[in-house]
Amino acid sequence: AQSVAQPEDQVNVAEGNPLTVKCTYSVSGNPYLFWYVQYPNRGLQFLLKYITGDNLVKGSYGFEAEFNKSQTSFHLKKPSALVSDSALYFCAVRDRGSTLGRLYFGRGTQLTVWP
Amino acid sequence: DADVTQTPRNRITKTGKRIMLECSQTKGHDRMYWYRQDPGLGLRLIYYSFDVKDINKGEISDGYSVSRQAQAKFSLSLESAIPNQTALYFCATSDPGPAQETQYFGPGTRLLVL
Repeated sequence: AQSVAQPEDQVNVAEGNPLTVKCTYSVSGNPYLFWYVQYPNRGLQFLLKYITGDNLVKGSYGFEAEFNKSQTSFHLKKPSALVSDSALYFCAVRDRGSTLGRLYFGRGTQLTVWP
Repeated sequence: DADVTQTPRNRITKTGKRIMLECSQTKGHDRMYWYRQDPGLGLRLIYYSFDVKDINKGEISDGYSVSRQAQAKFSLSLESAIPNQTALYFCATSDPGPAQETQYFGPGTRLLVL
């Protein structure tokens, strides 16, 4: 069974500090991994994804994420947080071997960056 | 994302009423999805469709039905709305080709069932 865990409901960081939003996953095969961001009153926006190749994936707005197979993790990171990064972040996984194509989402982590 | 639109954006209805939420997309994608979002629960899949003739139940399909009228249109119906269907509903699309299943979301419909 596929599942995603985001262990922190909320992450608070000061502007200019590095940020990390954690994600661990469970799939029966090899994963495709995704991060989405949701700003207030908006739909989810795609940030980045890991499909294959380099374990460090770079995405939109200066975000990056590192795929760690041994730890089954895909943590989202940014070297220097901005107040405008404050939003709800979702990690999602899909089993690479599945023909169904559906994503499994975590519960979300609310990121707050204060000035 | 303007390529995926949802109507209405907000809706208040009463218990027992039938309502329909509509989704349209101009991305040319075959695959479409309906999710609901509840605080602290993330997104849960209601129904998904891989083409016009293909409809599949997701993890929480009870109390909902869907219609795929065309490649570009996927509607979600609540036959008899109940208060615990109060939620934020999202439509999404994806392309099984080189984009590797990245899903693109509409702006959402906020539904309140009284």
